[in-house]
Amino acid sequence: EGELVESGGGLVQPGGSLRLSCVASGFRFSAYWMTWVRKAPGKGLERVANIDEDGKKKNYLDSVTGRFTISRDNAKRSLFLQMNRLRVEDTAVYYCARDSDYSAFDVWGQGTMVTVSS
Amino acid sequence: QSALTQPASVSGSPGQSITISCTGTSSDIGGYKYVSWYQHHPGKAPKLIIYEVSVRPSGVSNRFSGSKSGNTAFLTISGLQAEDEADYYCSSDRSSRLFGGGTRLTVL
Repeated sequence: EGELVESGGGLVQPGGSLRLSCVASGFRFSAYWMTWVRKAPGKGLERVANIDEDGKKKNYLDSVTGRFTISRDNAKRSLFLQMNRLRVEDTAVYYCARDSDYSAFDVWGQGTMVTVSS
Repeated sequence: QSALTQPASVSGSPGQSITISCTGTSSDIGGYKYVSWYQHHPGKAPKLIIYEVSVRPSGVSNRFSGSKSGNTAFLTISGLQAEDEADYYCSSDRSSRLFGGGTRLTVL
């Protein structure tokens, strides 16, 4: 069915940068759209960014546009999220998720925690 | 775009049934068959429990069922069990994939 494993989270000061990674196994990574979803403390799930199979089409949450960049390396079965100019409100657990053929996220990673604080 | 609207909390006793609503617009829930539901236990990965309004993925208990009427989708959990206590999120809109605000289910 597939597995996703995220890494790269941590504590960073406001204005800093982090790069999240997500490695896929057990399915043909290059055949799927992929998405980063976050869960901030006390808030609901929020789709941050997604990317098509080839890495050419990308969509972003308004509040991260211009600061975050999603990318992928199909040869390495990896998804990335480059986060720049981080804000306190970006503090959340970040999950990578597979976008299934039926418009639902059917495989999720365990998440990586990003804390933005001075 | 605004998130889909869900009640903040619902509760029920073991063995009972509960229903969680998810209200959107004709541009999302009302216009597509692509409504999905997720179960999220804190500290764990979210889990897909319903897709395309009413389809259960393999391995998901048949105590979970989904439906839709107009611009509102519904998740019903029958025969409540303690392990069902979690946050539940709806999602719709093929392109931007909105999430609802989430509903905390408490099993009394």
